[in-house]
This record gives sequence, C-alpha cells and structure tokens, in this order.
Amino acid sequence: GAGVSQSPSNKVTEKGKDVELRCDPISGHTALYWYRQSLGQGLEFLIYFQGNSAPDKSGLPSDRFSAERTGGSVSTLTIQRTQQEDSAVYLCASSLGGQGNTIYFGEGSWLTVV
Amino acid sequence: SQQGEEDPQALSIQEGENATMNCSYKTSINNLQWYRQNSGRGLVHLILIRSNEREKHSGRLRVTLDTSKKSSSLLITASRAADTASYFCATDPLGTSYGKLTFGQGTILTVHP
Repeated sequence: GAGVSQSPSNKVTEKGKDVELRCDPISGHTALYWYRQSLGQGLEFLIYFQGNSAPDKSGLPSDRFSAERTGGSVSTLTIQRTQQEDSAVYLCASSLGGQGNTIYFGEGSWLTVV
Repeated sequence: SQQGEEDPQALSIQEGENATMNCSYKTSINNLQWYRQNSGRGLVHLILIRSNEREKHSGRLRVTLDTSKKSSSLLITASRAADTASYFCATDPLGTSYGKLTFGQGTILTVHP
C-alpha cells in the first residue's frame, strides 16, 4: 500500500513568508508525528498526534510553528514568518499507535529559507 | 537533546565485508529502532527491538540490545554497495508519548564495490 506522503518535496521561500507543509499518513494509522532534520541539530521531534487526544507539542521550537490534523488523517505543519534557521528537512511519520508499532517515515519536505 | 549516540560516525568497507554500528543511550527505554537514510531521502525502518529482547534478525541484519549497558548494535552481514547510507538508532524513552523518538547523530556507511 501507499506509504506516508509529503508535499511539497522541496520549497524555497523568502525570509518572513509563511509556509505550509502537508502530510498524508498511511491509511488506518492513528498516530502522526512531525520531525525536523537539520545539519546542526540532527533529527528532532516536533509534534505528535494520537487519535482525538490533544497533540503533544512539546518539541515545537517556537510559537511560529503550529500543526493541525484534520479528520484524524491529513496534517499540515505551518511555519509563520520563516527564518533562515528554519531551513531543514521536515519529516512526517505515522504508526498504528501504541507501544511497539513500527513508525514509518515519509520522504520529507526540504525547506530552504533565503 | 540527542540521547542516542552512534559509533563510529563513519565506516568505510569493501563489498562482502560485515559492518557493525553501535548505539548508546542514556535513559530507560521501551524499545529501540534502527533506520536507514539514503542521501536526500526519507528514513526507512529496518528493525525494532523491544526492551525485553536481546537479539533480533531480519535478513542480513542482526540487532542486539543490552539494557544493562544501555547500548545496541546493528550488524549488516555480506554488505553490498546498495547498503551505502546513513544509519540511525532511535530510542523510545520510558514515560514519554510513544513515537517521541530520540535519534542519534547517525553512522555514515560507505560500501565500496
């Protein structure tokens, strides 16, 4: 079946603009995660959605970052007033939820802020 | 902060040789997962080992886990050029939301044909 799908694959934006990154998880997966991978920081957890529970936003680096998940499926990560340090690969992942279930990652969205 | 630390940071071997990568972590975990990342691509899940397991195999992959030493190793046997990639361990710490993985910095593996 289809894996985790992310769009856009690549995005170049000007400093100060807002960007939206989309994630379509594997069908039936109740858990959805956003991670960020940058040269200086490696792979960092950003936010976690599980079913209808309140999301765990503890990894979001600032209030310029937000995410929502509509209808328990597709998720959008929004970065407002982008800064150059936001340049990174944003990886979405999904799983069946619960301990021990494999977490599957998408190909990522490469964001470059110029 | 990155809990997992891979060792070595880079490994260069010839096709057919075995590759061993190590991962150390600091806190108690529910499980540990290994991922592969080809340059410019997403993460591919390789294997998950639970905290009550000591060894797991999948094809040419063998993973061990020593919770007393807080360490894990990934062995790739009979390596191929296609195994060239970065390899990351990711821990699922006890007491956190599942999936809030902590990744190491990765081992860059180069397999020469």
